[in-house]
Amino acid sequence: EVQLVESGGALVQPGGSLRLSCVVSGFTFSTYAMNWVRQAPGEGLDWVSGITGSGDTFYADSVKGRFTISRDNSRNTVWLQMNSLRAEDTAVYYCVKSLSSTWQFDSWGQGTLVTASS
Amino acid sequence: DIQMTQSPSSVSASVGDRVTITCRASQDISSWLAWYQQIPGKAPKLLIYTASNLQSGVPSRFSGSKSGTDFTLTISSLQPEDSAIYYCQQVNSFPLTFGGGTKVEIK
Repeated sequence: EVQLVESGGALVQPGGSLRLSCVVSGFTFSTYAMNWVRQAPGEGLDWVSGITGSGDTFYADSVKGRFTISRDNSRNTVWLQMNSLRAEDTAVYYCVKSLSSTWQFDSWGQGTLVTASS
Repeated sequence: DIQMTQSPSSVSASVGDRVTITCRASQDISSWLAWYQQIPGKAPKLLIYTASNLQSGVPSRFSGSKSGTDFTLTISSLQPEDSAIYYCQQVNSFPLTFGGGTKVEIK
């Protein structure tokens, strides 16, 4: 069974930093691209970042230069380092597995809440 | 960036009704479109991938189709458990983008 478990969400002041983690199991981690997708309260889905199995990275314009995605295939873990957080980054952040060799998302974690507020 | 325009924003229908949701891409995305269902308070779930392929375990009353840059999700016979928000997503190019969502309610 595929499982994705996020952690690291918290209340942080604007301008602060946070690191989200996602530990996965149930599939050959190194074979699949991984992503972070967020959802602000009462809003729709917003893709944040993706990373291929070999480490190529992609970002939404709204987070480029502030967020960094990374992975360790030996630890079945993907991270999202978030710096210079803004109020508009407040959201539930989902760790998401890509389907086969596409960027369609077939497995989602339960989400972790990040709140950027003073 | 590719914009995904989803319509309607909400629909109310009776059990057994046929429901259609449309997503229009601002440019050609080939068939690189997925559909997701999100029940409030839960993570989204993949229904359809690459425009018309039914994800494993998804009931056959869900189907997807494409005509040019217009994509359609159809629920052939609405069931109470289909009450949810539905999103389309283009995966043709970065940044990946979602439609605004369609809320499906049961009358």
